[in-house]
Amino acid sequence: GQNIDQPTEMTATEGAIVQINCTYQTSGFNGLFWYQQHAGEAPTFLSYNVLDGLEEKGRFSSFLSRSKGYSYLLLKELQMKDSASYLCAVRDHRDDKIIFGKGTRLHILP
Amino acid sequence: GAVVSQHPSWVICKSGTSVKIECRSLDFQATTMFWYRQFPKQSLMLMATSNEGSKATYEQGVEKDKFLINHASLTLSTLTVTSAHPEDSSFYICSQNGEVETQYFGPGTRLLVL
Repeated sequence: GQNIDQPTEMTATEGAIVQINCTYQTSGFNGLFWYQQHAGEAPTFLSYNVLDGLEEKGRFSSFLSRSKGYSYLLLKELQMKDSASYLCAVRDHRDDKIIFGKGTRLHILP
Repeated sequence: GAVVSQHPSWVICKSGTSVKIECRSLDFQATTMFWYRQFPKQSLMLMATSNEGSKATYEQGVEKDKFLINHASLTLSTLTVTSAHPEDSSFYICSQNGEVETQYFGPGTRLLVL
């Protein structure tokens, strides 16, 4: 089976940097996703990591360490619109299922 | 543009009625689609995997007789919530795999059972 852990809530200040961690346990790892979800909307894709290392995409970066079962999403130059839930999700290579963590609600303060 | 559409976007029904939700793949054929459910302030929970031309596979704890899935074509999967009750009120989202690193989500269907 799979187990995905991430903090329930985080608070950060506009303009600052925040790192959201995610740890996972899975028997058939085939990639880790980060999604952003605003209240009442479907998730939107942010990043995908399948190899170790850092993937940078604008203000958002995502890191993966497969040996440690660990990933983080780094958000820079925070904006008020970044207030949302951030979902860590892991794909299983055996059946292509993507299983989500419980999500981290990020609150941005002015 | 949108890759996956869902219909309806929201529905209110009386307890005991059945509700059908459609998920359409717009840009390419999908042999596999996934159905998720999300309760308020919780994450997405995978309900089942919809397989074109064969039976859906359900996650543990999801009643297959209550949540009927039909995937009769490569562009359409339907989820029917049979004899809906208030506890079935939720946000239902379908998705399909795109290229290796992407998964496309539909816009979701919000169900409220009175």
